[in-house]
Amino acid sequence: GENVEQHPSTLSVQEGDSAVIKCTYSDSASNYFPWYKQELGKRPQLIIDIRSNVGEKKDQRIAVTLNKTAKHFSLHITETQPEDSAVYFCAAWDDYKLSFGAGTTVTVRA
Amino acid sequence: NAGVMQNPRHLVRRRGQEARLRCSPMKGHSHVYWYRQLPEEGLKFMVYLQKENIIDESGMPKERFSAEFPKEGPSILRIQQVVRGDSAAYFCASSPGDDQPQHFGDGTRLSIL
Repeated sequence: GENVEQHPSTLSVQEGDSAVIKCTYSDSASNYFPWYKQELGKRPQLIIDIRSNVGEKKDQRIAVTLNKTAKHFSLHITETQPEDSAVYFCAAWDDYKLSFGAGTTVTVRA
Repeated sequence: NAGVMQNPRHLVRRRGQEARLRCSPMKGHSHVYWYRQLPEEGLKFMVYLQKENIIDESGMPKERFSAEFPKEGPSILRIQQVVRGDSAAYFCASSPGDDQPQHFGDGTRLSIL
């Protein structure tokens, strides 16, 4: 099955700076990679996703890059704001289901 | 368009009792997934269902846990003879098809006394 590793586990950034979270996956057949944001006590919310036929996708302050050869993908948040503080999960589609990374707790310091 | 609806939001059970968690997918979504999340941990896949069929239950414990998605009504995750280790948040997600965006419900927080 798919194994998704996510780094770092915690990330503290100054407001206005950028945040980068990296994930690697093991199954070269995986073709769909979503990112979720989860605030404390809330549901995971899909914030961006990318498919294997695309190398990069951007939506306002967030972007995701995918390197299929190296089997890793990254989330980039620019101009971070306090409301970006949350836990972020990467995931890879694996044979009928999503396999999730362990999560990154992002704290944006005012 | 209502999102994924889960109930109850909170459920308290004593050891040995049964817990029933319900999930209604988004309109137009035929795929339902159940995940478990322990405190400060990630989401672990449990089971994937379509109407009247279990497609993949590889993440669900063999004993005490069962899931269904009947022709009519919500998907049900049932945990029999609950133990303290079953305490967790259980999330349901739905999608319109394979490798399509999954949208999550608010979850059921299960506490075992």
